[in-house]
Amino acid sequence: GAGVSQSPSNKVTEKGKDVELRCDPISGHTALYWYRQSLGQGLEFLIYFQGNSAPDKSGLPSDRFSAERTGGSVSTLTIQRTQQEDSAVYLCASSLNRQVDQPQHFGDGTRLSIL
Amino acid sequence: LAKTTQPISMDSYEGQEVNITCSHNNIATNDYITWYQQFPSQGPRFIIQGYKTKVTNEVASLFIPADRKSSTLSLPRVSLSDTAVYYCLVGVNNAGNMLTFGGGTRLMVKP
Repeated sequence: GAGVSQSPSNKVTEKGKDVELRCDPISGHTALYWYRQSLGQGLEFLIYFQGNSAPDKSGLPSDRFSAERTGGSVSTLTIQRTQQEDSAVYLCASSLNRQVDQPQHFGDGTRLSIL
Repeated sequence: LAKTTQPISMDSYEGQEVNITCSHNNIATNDYITWYQQFPSQGPRFIIQGYKTKVTNEVASLFIPADRKSSTLSLPRVSLSDTAVYYCLVGVNNAGNMLTFGGGTRLMVKP
């Protein structure tokens, strides 16, 4: 596709369940980013990938959060044992590379609701 | 890690010019300044990027003073469809640097 694709667009699950969020970046983009946006709030950086590597995982809120990227393309963000405070919109972005002048292109996010 | 500060909200009327300023006092030498626009239920959309002085494209201008500790996004002749949240992002797209979005400015354009 032409843009960043995220799935599912909406996810409702019960507290304690695991969820997996998917991001398909723009073809050829080597850098991929995950953010979290709570209702009415700004964007909270979670993690980025350069290729399949994530050099800095310090933005992940807790050890219940993990992310991986395979084949330099699709990425998944996994949240284990979900809590109500995990409810938010999870946004993915990609950029051509990690050069300083490359803007990020965002998907429309996955709206996660924990009951 | 460059922290950014923006006004929480702004109101304007159709046809007016809108200027939104972002403060980033501890911007690093290699940092670029990028502005994004976000509509409800959508991801942010790139508007403009700059390093110093002035940048202009078909939708906006970006003014950056010599000390680079602030930047101003200028939207000429806004319309109702420009009602959105505008974020400035200061950071280096290089390994080891986290990217920081400001809290965003909610622009309301009135008829």
